[in-house]
Amino acid sequence: EIVLTQSPGTLSLSPGERATLSCRASQSVRSSYLVWYQQKPGQAPRLLIYGASSRATGIPDRFSGSGSGTDFTLTISRLEPEDFAVYYCQQYGSSPLTFGGGTKVEIK
Amino acid sequence: QVQLQQWGAGLLKPSETLSLTCAVYGGSFSAYYWTWIRQPPGKGLEWIGEINHSGSTNYNPSLKSRVTISVDTSKNQFSLKLSSVTAADTAVYSCARLLTGDWYFDLWGRGTLVTVSS
Repeated sequence: EIVLTQSPGTLSLSPGERATLSCRASQSVRSSYLVWYQQKPGQAPRLLIYGASSRATGIPDRFSGSGSGTDFTLTISRLEPEDFAVYYCQQYGSSPLTFGGGTKVEIK
Repeated sequence: QVQLQQWGAGLLKPSETLSLTCAVYGGSFSAYYWTWIRQPPGKGLEWIGEINHSGSTNYNPSLKSRVTISVDTSKNQFSLKLSSVTAADTAVYSCARLLTGDWYFDLWGRGTLVTVSS
């Protein structure tokens, strides 16, 4: 099983600042089947990034994904008020499908 | 507009069987894997398992001995059964659509809070 470790657990930032979230895999994620979601309280996760770096439809270009192998990053270039949420990475390069533990981006 | 509508019992006693069903309204049923995911209160996401239109399943090894996912293609529905529940199974259970090939979830049900308590 591929374990995804997200860091930091909580990121305290102000609107307008840059957020850098990390997702590290215990083994290489095949063909960059690495995905990022945003989740707000009481809501289902929202797809942000798939294939490690491709933005989903309707996702603002302030969100970007990068990385390969075992190290992946989600960057939010300038935080908007609606971006404060929990972010999860997910892989399905190999079974079982696994999620990271999440990074909470909170208002400083 | 494609929607997932789920239903099932929200309160169970220990040792009972959790049973949830998810209906797919609109769109193709055969082009995806149909999945169950759970999220304990205040915690992260856990993949339970998936099924496709032909009934091929994959389960999380940590739950495999207790999980059955089935499909009814005549109704565009799929179901989850989790046996011998304990308090550790208390979570929001969601159905979701998994895009084959790119392997991401692009559509989710509203979620059902299932509480296991004596």
